[in-house]
Amino acid sequence: EADIYQTPRYLVIGTGKKITLECSQTMGHDKMYWYQQDPGMELHLIHYSYGVNSTEKGDLSSESTVSRIRTEHFPLTLESARPSHTSQYLCASSVTGGRTEAFFGQGTRLTVV
Amino acid sequence: SQQGEEDPQALSIQEGENATMNCSYKTSINNLQWYRQNSGRGLVHLILIRSNEREKHSGRLRVTLDTSKKSSSLLITASRAADTASYFCVLVQGAQKLVFGQGTRLTINP
Repeated sequence: EADIYQTPRYLVIGTGKKITLECSQTMGHDKMYWYQQDPGMELHLIHYSYGVNSTEKGDLSSESTVSRIRTEHFPLTLESARPSHTSQYLCASSVTGGRTEAFFGQGTRLTVV
Repeated sequence: SQQGEEDPQALSIQEGENATMNCSYKTSINNLQWYRQNSGRGLVHLILIRSNEREKHSGRLRVTLDTSKKSSSLLITASRAADTASYFCVLVQGAQKLVFGQGTRLTINP
C-alpha cells in the first residue's frame, strides 16, 4: 500500500479563486511529481522536484506553481482558477537510485465553474 | 518526442485470451516501466525493465525490451475481467523524469 495522499479528492470552485492541492508522502522519497490528466487521456507532467527547495517545470506548460519546503510535502497552487484548469491532478513520488518506480496518490478532480 | 507511443490505443479481447501491448520510443532510456490505471485502484506500477535487460516476468506479466528497435511489449496471459484498465508505458531518462505515453485501453469481455 502506497503512503502518498492527496487532498481534496474532489473540488468544485468558482473562477478566480486561489486553490492549493495538497500532496504528502511518508516514504521519505526525494522525487515528487505532479501530473495533469483529462478523462481517458494521457498524463502530462507539469511539475517535478528532486528534493527540498528543488522544483522544475514539466513538459506541459501550466499556470500552477509548486513548492518543496519539506521532503514529504509538495503542494500545487493555482492563484486564479479558470475553467480551463478543470482536470484531474495526480501526485507521485519516487526514490533516486535503482528502483525508480513511482507511487501515485488517488488524485484530485478539480472542476472550475 | 520524449514519450513512448503505445499501440494499439484500444484493445478488446475475451477473458482467458492473452493481451499484447507495444510501446515504441525515440530517445535513450535508463529503464522502461509499465503502469496500470483503473477507476478502482488508480495508477499502479506493474513492472520495470532496465536498458540492459531483454525480458522480465512478474506473475502473468511478461515484458520485453529491444533497445536496438527502441520498443517494448507487455504481454498479459490468461486475461481476467479485473485486467480491464489503461496501460501506460513510461520512459525513465537521464534526469529520471517519468514520461507517460498515451496508454492502451484494454477491455476484457466475459
